[in-house]
Amino acid sequence: QKEVEQDPGPLSVPEGAIVSLNCTYSNSAFQYFMWYRQYSRKGPELLMYTYSSGNKEDGRFTAQVDKSSKYISLFIRDSQPSDSATYLCAMSISSGNTPLVFGKGTRLSVIA
Amino acid sequence: DGGITQSPKYLFRKEGQNVTLSCEQNLNHDAMYWYRQDPGQGLRLIYYSQIVNDFQKGDIAEGYSVSREKKESFPLTVTSAQKNPTAFYLCASLKGADGTEAFFGQGTRLTVV
Repeated sequence: QKEVEQDPGPLSVPEGAIVSLNCTYSNSAFQYFMWYRQYSRKGPELLMYTYSSGNKEDGRFTAQVDKSSKYISLFIRDSQPSDSATYLCAMSISSGNTPLVFGKGTRLSVIA
Repeated sequence: DGGITQSPKYLFRKEGQNVTLSCEQNLNHDAMYWYRQDPGQGLRLIYYSQIVNDFQKGDIAEGYSVSREKKESFPLTVTSAQKNPTAFYLCASLKGADGTEAFFGQGTRLTVV
């Protein structure tokens, strides 16, 4: 079993839809959870960051972490064509110089 | 502006040649990382460095080498021993003790011709 599992998609939704992206993981020591957005031929950029379990909301984006199920989610409300990108989940055991472990990324297309 | 700069954006290499990818950051971050990204593979860790003059192998270090002589710079050399070097290479840096957010460069696309 890979350390972090993420469905690669592709996922295609109409504009305005609610998008749900998910990752599962096997290492219960992970405490820091992140979502990165990567446009084609660009470097990833941090979208959301969550410590331990719980929810975090930022505009149209909501990140959820359920450590008991080893499951994290990213929800995008009122999706826009500009949200079309690859979304990568990432996690780490501790803060401070610990390498991040990434999922494979989910490619999302929002159709106008 | 603070950030991470990777160069060149595109690089072509003949088989049997070594090439060096540049990564420079002016964020004053302690840790720097090199990842390789292949279609459908996600990001795989090649090497990382937590402090100047020290670095560690990642999951796929074979055929690669690095140096960390300065805090700002973490060049990656793709050697002729790397059997399948064509890929998108990403450099990232991370703040020190309280940092979890990784900042990425814009990547270098390496193609073997």
